Amino acid sequence: SQQGEEDPQALSIQEGENATMNCSYKTSINNLQWYRQNSGRGLVHLILIRSNEREKHSGRLRVTLDTSKKSSSLLITASRAADTASYFCAMTTSGTYKYIFGTGTRLKVLA
Amino acid sequence: GAGVSQTPSNKVTEKGKYVELRCDPISGHTALYWYRQSLGQGPEFLIYFQGTGAADDSGLPNDRFFAVRPEGSVSTLKIQRTERGDSAVYLCASSLTWPTGELFFGEGSRLTVL
Repeated sequence: SQQGEEDPQALSIQEGENATMNCSYKTSINNLQWYRQNSGRGLVHLILIRSNEREKHSGRLRVTLDTSKKSSSLLITASRAADTASYFCAMTTSGTYKYIFGTGTRLKVLA
Repeated sequence: GAGVSQTPSNKVTEKGKYVELRCDPISGHTALYWYRQSLGQGPEFLIYFQGTGAADDSGLPNDRFFAVRPEGSVSTLKIQRTERGDSAVYLCASSLTWPTGELFFGEGSRLTVL
């Protein structure tokens, strides 16, 4: 079973616009990570946020974490066509060290 | 090697056959994970190793699935009596900073069971 539910399932935007995707989860977490997957390829790590952090930035990426709402969001600013991919959240829960992935958001950035 | 290597990249087999999928992690990475991904879905956890031992195999769907990592490096996922429902991409990932580090994924092994 999957711990994380992401929305939207699919998102289509114009180049230059911002893209926001959300991840909700069910139980307490240790940390949460975001990954990108280009079609037919492996996953690439984007950013990690720990349970005691609220916001992190990396280049054009901004991640927030709200443990009271059990949710995280990934914001990609000034999107580019090369950002077209599927994005997944992944988390470890208290007492385990296995990463459980969300259902993913398919982002399409139109040039 | 420079990254996580998985072989074969594609495997087509017949129902009932035995299959082995190999993962060669990044040198020095002690944690190794296996996931299964179906089309349009997120990766589904199968098993992870810390060193040579299976630290958590709770994701293996049934006893037809087995994985080993005898020397704490290369791992092999073994599937007996394959079924059509086993068709998926099998992903391997390794991590240096266990248990909270980033996962480095291979390109996956696409298994098709006819």
